[in-house]
Amino acid sequence: SQTIHQWPATLVQPVGSPLSLECTVEGTSNPNLYWYRQAAGRGLQLLFYSVGIGQISSEVPQNLSASRPQDRQFILSSKKLLLSDSGFYLCAWSVTEETQYFGPGTRLLVL
Amino acid sequence: GNSVTQMEGPVTLSEEAFLTINCTYTATGYPSLFWYVQYPGEGLQLLLKATKADDKGSNKGFEATYRKETTSFHLEKGSVQVSDSAVYFCALETSYDKVIFGPGTSLSVIP
Repeated sequence: SQTIHQWPATLVQPVGSPLSLECTVEGTSNPNLYWYRQAAGRGLQLLFYSVGIGQISSEVPQNLSASRPQDRQFILSSKKLLLSDSGFYLCAWSVTEETQYFGPGTRLLVL
Repeated sequence: GNSVTQMEGPVTLSEEAFLTINCTYTATGYPSLFWYVQYPGEGLQLLLKATKADDKGSNKGFEATYRKETTSFHLEKGSVQVSDSAVYFCALETSYDKVIFGPGTSLSVIP
């Protein structure tokens, strides 16, 4: 069966510090991968999606970036965090034309 | 463009009350429609889905019918329980497997 992992589960970082959140998927090959952010009082917003290694599409302009160094690994990064980057970050995977499945999420608090 | 609108919460109901959470969408083509649920302290889970007009998705006593004529996918449950307290997200899936979420509706069920 397929599983999706995210870490860390919780992270507290100072403003201006770098960020690296990791997401890995097991049990499937060549999945589509997604990063979403859920900010307090707002819904889920798609940040990035990837249909293959090295292929990243950005949905919204921001100071975040994403990379996919391996088929089942998706990384969300920032060189300098902003206060507004606080939120709940969800990774998801899907096989083309199938339902998306979400990871457990990472709660990020920028102080 | 594509968008999802949900009724604003929070919604507070007594146990065994009838639940309706309204959801309407705007989309080109024929998107798939979903309800996701996020229980306190947990990640996002798929609750039910419908992939074409007049389909009814159902799970755990919840139901929603894909109404193309009214572009709606309202979530209903005949008798809610305290354990149904959660945040509910309506969503649609566009081409390229991108999911667009509504803002979420928080439900609290009191004994």
